[in-house]
Amino acid sequence: NAGVTQTPKFQVLKTGQSMTLQCAQDMNHNSMYWYRQDPGMGLRLIYYSASEGTTDKGEVPNGYNVSRLNKREFSLRLESAAPSQTSVYFCASSDIGFGGGTQYFGPGTRLLVL
Amino acid sequence: RKEVEQDPGPFNVPEGATVAFNCTYSNSASQSFFWYRQDCRKEPKLLMSVYSSGNEDGRFTAQLNRASQYISLLIRDSKLSDSATYLCVVNKGSGGSNYKLTFGKGTLLTVNP
Repeated sequence: NAGVTQTPKFQVLKTGQSMTLQCAQDMNHNSMYWYRQDPGMGLRLIYYSASEGTTDKGEVPNGYNVSRLNKREFSLRLESAAPSQTSVYFCASSDIGFGGGTQYFGPGTRLLVL
Repeated sequence: RKEVEQDPGPFNVPEGATVAFNCTYSNSASQSFFWYRQDCRKEPKLLMSVYSSGNEDGRFTAQLNRASQYISLLIRDSKLSDSATYLCVVNKGSGGSNYKLTFGKGTLLTVNP
């Protein structure tokens, strides 16, 4: 039981490049989330998916798109990376209906945009 | 008032000390409250939920004061392994309509030998 997995672990991009961050969970959770964490800012919600087939914007969605591919997988895409998107990205999933307190996080993707 | 505000820290304490973290939240409609722990360069993990009646898990005690919109976490007999960032987390919804957790910025605790 791997929990929440994320790929890649690290990535360096040049401004304007695109990439997709992958996330998968094997806990049969309905809800999945993407956060970014920056020094002094705490965790901020980018997008979330309450259930398979639905996605909604969080606090900081600009510059990102998401796809809930199936119940297990939730990807985050940066179409044209900017230095302001340098951050640590965490994917999470939750078990208690929608947004229950026990969110399980993946190990994170550290992204540097030059 | 920020949605979730925590002591800025950092806290440096000796082993065996008792340390308390405080947190306030702005939305009086908030329904659920939690403390998460995040080790350096790792993901956040749930430490404990916070109930109105207060709850204890070993050396950890969490308290909630809804009237003051205040949450606390007390750690007794600190261990070196308690060194981490502690995140105060609030969920505004009770289930069906609000999916989002709001995280405080965290308070860094370092327990020294």
